[in-house]
Amino acid sequence: DIQMTQSPSSLSASVGDRVTITCRASQAIRNDLGWYQQKPGKAPQRLIYAVSSLQSGVPSRFSGSGSGTEFTLTISSLQPEDFATYYCLHHNYYLWTFGQGTKVEIK
Amino acid sequence: EVQLVESGGGLVKPGGSLRLSCAASGFTLSNAWMSWVRQVPGKGLEWLGRIKSKTNGGATDYAAPVKDRFTVSRDDSKNTLYLQMSSLKTEDTAVYYCSDGGYWGQGTQVTVSS
Repeated sequence: DIQMTQSPSSLSASVGDRVTITCRASQAIRNDLGWYQQKPGKAPQRLIYAVSSLQSGVPSRFSGSGSGTEFTLTISSLQPEDFATYYCLHHNYYLWTFGQGTKVEIK
Repeated sequence: EVQLVESGGGLVKPGGSLRLSCAASGFTLSNAWMSWVRQVPGKGLEWLGRIKSKTNGGATDYAAPVKDRFTVSRDDSKNTLYLQMSSLKTEDTAVYYCSDGGYWGQGTQVTVSS
């Protein structure tokens, strides 16, 4: 099975900062990768699908990139409502695999 | 508007069984590949299993830790997804979500305790 290693596990940042979160796959994957935001007590919300496609209604400060085994979620200018936990998700014909999560906290 | 609403959670003793439901509106479950995901409080997201769309034969796949204990099924006439859980353990205590990846329910809490 493909493993997804997400880093960092947590980070502290200030409003306006550029934030980058990385997911590495244990083997090359296609574009079957998405990014999710989860706030406490709430269900995850998809931000990005197919590596770099922005989910409808998601602010353009969120972007995704990558290929092969390394994928990145970037928040260009962190806003107060972006403090949350972020997960990558790889999905294929057989299963889903989540990254371990990155908690973005206020500095 | 699409809504997925989970229900059926609650308190169950170790070794017991429970069936969760995920009722869909504004969305035809049989056209989607639907998954169940859980989250232990304070921990990450864990995929449990999936049922493929009707056009893909409705086959199911499971994560190794639950493969012999959990069963995903669907009632197309009710537009409802199910997760049948048996031989429950204390470590199955979590919030359980249904999702197709884009749409998510609000989750239902399952607590396994004596």
